Amino acid sequence: DGGITQSPKYLFRKEGQNVTLSCEQNLNHDAMYWYRQDPGQGLRLIYYSQIVNDFQKGDIAEGYSVSREKKESFPLTVTSAQKNPTAFYLCASSMDRGFYGYTFGSGTRLTVV
Amino acid sequence: GENVEQHPSTLSVQEGDSAVIKCTYSDSASNYFPWYKQELGKRPQLIIDIRSNVGEKKDQRIAVTLNKTAKHFSLHITETQPEDSAVYFCAHFGNFGNEKLTFGTGTRLTIIP
Repeated sequence: DGGITQSPKYLFRKEGQNVTLSCEQNLNHDAMYWYRQDPGQGLRLIYYSQIVNDFQKGDIAEGYSVSREKKESFPLTVTSAQKNPTAFYLCASSMDRGFYGYTFGSGTRLTVV
Repeated sequence: GENVEQHPSTLSVQEGDSAVIKCTYSDSASNYFPWYKQELGKRPQLIIDIRSNVGEKKDQRIAVTLNKTAKHFSLHITETQPEDSAVYFCAHFGNFGNEKLTFGTGTRLTIIP
C-alpha cells in the first residue's frame, strides 16, 4: 500500500456500537488525514493532523473522533453518534502538509448491519 | 476561499479520442495543483501535478495546464484507452493558514471501446 496501511479492509458494525479504523504509515510523514467517500461521491475531510498530539476537525467531524499519539498512527473511531456511517473510509499522509501531494491507503469499507 | 469546482461530473469518450477535465479555484495563494485517479474500489493515486511557476506539464499521454490569472487548471488525456476509465479528482494546496489539499468533486471518465 505504498507505505500506508489501513485495516481492516471490510468492517461490519451493529447499530449503536463504536468501531475503530486503523491507519499506519512508515513514510515518516508528519501529516495524516481521514476522508469519507460515499458511492459516486467525492472525498470529504473528517479530521486531519499535521503534528503528533494535535489534530483539527474537517468538514464532517460530527460523530467521529481521532487520536495522534504516535507519528505513524492515526486511528479513527466511528461513534454511535454518527447516524449514517456506512461508507468507504480513506486515510492519507503527506510530508510538508501536502505540498508534495498525499499518499492514500487502500481504504476500509464500513457497513452498518 | 478554498473551494474548487470540477467539470464535467461525468464524461464519455470514444477510445482513441481526447478527454479534458477542468477545475476552477478561488484561493489566489494556491501554488500546487495535483490530479488523482481512482479506479473502482481502489485508492486515489497521484498521476500528475503542477506548481504555480509553470503553465504546462506533460507526462506521456497526460498533460496539465494552469492559468493562474484565470484561476483554473485542466487535465488533458490524449489517445484514450480503456484503462483510463476511472474517477479523476483535481486538488489544490492552499496557503497562509489553509495548508492542506482541497479536492474537487470528481469526474467519472468512461472510455467507450
